Amino acid sequence: NAGVTQTPKFRILKIGQSMTLQCTQDMNHNYMYWYRQDPGMGLKLIYYSVGAGITDKGEVPNGYNVSRSTTEDFPLRLELAAPSQTSVYFCASSPEGTQYFGPGTRLLVL
Amino acid sequence: AQSVTQLDSQVPVFEEAPVELRCNYSSSVSVYLFWYVQYPNQGLQLLLKYLSGSTLVKGINGFEAEFNKSQTSFHLRKPSVHISDTAEYFCAVRNNAGNMLTFGGGTRLMVKP
Repeated sequence: NAGVTQTPKFRILKIGQSMTLQCTQDMNHNYMYWYRQDPGMGLKLIYYSVGAGITDKGEVPNGYNVSRSTTEDFPLRLELAAPSQTSVYFCASSPEGTQYFGPGTRLLVL
Repeated sequence: AQSVTQLDSQVPVFEEAPVELRCNYSSSVSVYLFWYVQYPNQGLQLLLKYLSGSTLVKGINGFEAEFNKSQTSFHLRKPSVHISDTAEYFCAVRNNAGNMLTFGGGTRLMVKP
């Protein structure tokens, strides 16, 4: 199985544009997460989901939205991109306890 | 609320030398502890975890960590590092009442020949 996959790998956005970061897992995990990683800051939780149809805010949700219509997919939406959203975004999934991470999406907002 | 502190942002070390990466946490409840490794331009990979039982935990690539409840620490060690161990290492804590991880700021291990 592929584990957690993320697309795209890299994207450049202009200020005000919107985009969706895709995340898919094939391990049938109930829990899924979105983090952003800024240099020297570790990982900050943006949103998480405990199962299909259920999502909740993490530590830094402003400027983002998520949905969880299936167990496998957990897309992250940026509606109006801002330079402060320049970061590396990681998706993770978990049966419970240990989280398994995707390879990340590098986003640059100019 | 819980927090994780990794005191060393960078640790330079020569190849084949021992290394210790420090991690301290604060939590008012019992916790589960994790170390993840991130190689350049890759995602995070689980190195090892402490859930219960023996306080000395062995992980992949020759790493081990010791849970010390009285000092609220979970330091990561390796007796002899290789160039390929150069990476960023993250300590994380999860309390047993939920499924959220709180991460430390990371420690960049730089192994020099």
